[in-house]
Amino acid sequence: GEQVEQRPPHLSVREGDSAVITCTYTDPNSYYFFWYKQEPGASLQLLMKVFSSTEINEGQGFTVLLNKKDKRLSLNLTAAHPGDSAAYFCAVSDSNTGKLTFGDGTVLTVKP
Amino acid sequence: GPKVLQIPSHQIIDMGQMVTLNCDPVSNHLYFYWYKQILGQQMEFLVNFYNGKVMEKSKLFKDQFSVERPDGSYFTLKIQPTALEDSAVYFCASSWDIANSDYTFGSGTRLLVI
Repeated sequence: GEQVEQRPPHLSVREGDSAVITCTYTDPNSYYFFWYKQEPGASLQLLMKVFSSTEINEGQGFTVLLNKKDKRLSLNLTAAHPGDSAAYFCAVSDSNTGKLTFGDGTVLTVKP
Repeated sequence: GPKVLQIPSHQIIDMGQMVTLNCDPVSNHLYFYWYKQILGQQMEFLVNFYNGKVMEKSKLFKDQFSVERPDGSYFTLKIQPTALEDSAVYFCASSWDIANSDYTFGSGTRLLVI
């Protein structure tokens, strides 16, 4: 089955710095890719959903890059601020069952 | 936007007892999911459910686990009997379909088995 590897497990940056989180996946037929943010004790907040036909998406303060050739998905917070401190998870969906396979998560700390 | 409600938000239960976690999915959604998250770890798929049937279950979905959605009401996850290792946060999610993969997650039920 699908396997998703996420790096790094922990990331600490200064306010204003960029923060990059990367996931690699194994199933070349994977079609939908997600980035979620989870604050302590809270549920998952969808940051972005990416389709296989899209390579770069820009959100508010972040960019998502999908490289299908390398089976790599990345999240780049361009100018991090303390409110970005949270756990971030990538996920890949199975188009047949809807099952999401998550990465192990990255705990991001943004210091003032 | 539409929400998935999970009841209760917290549950403490003695090992060996039965527990039922309830999920009120988005009203027009047809696909339902349970995920398990042990503190500080990743979200892991347990099971998905459509048209009254389990579509797929993971190896984490032990024989002690069952799901149902009787008469279109709550989508439930029942654990009987519970074990210490069942302590985790259980997230319910629902989606309208699979092709578009728009999931709505609940806020989770924090289960502590003692």
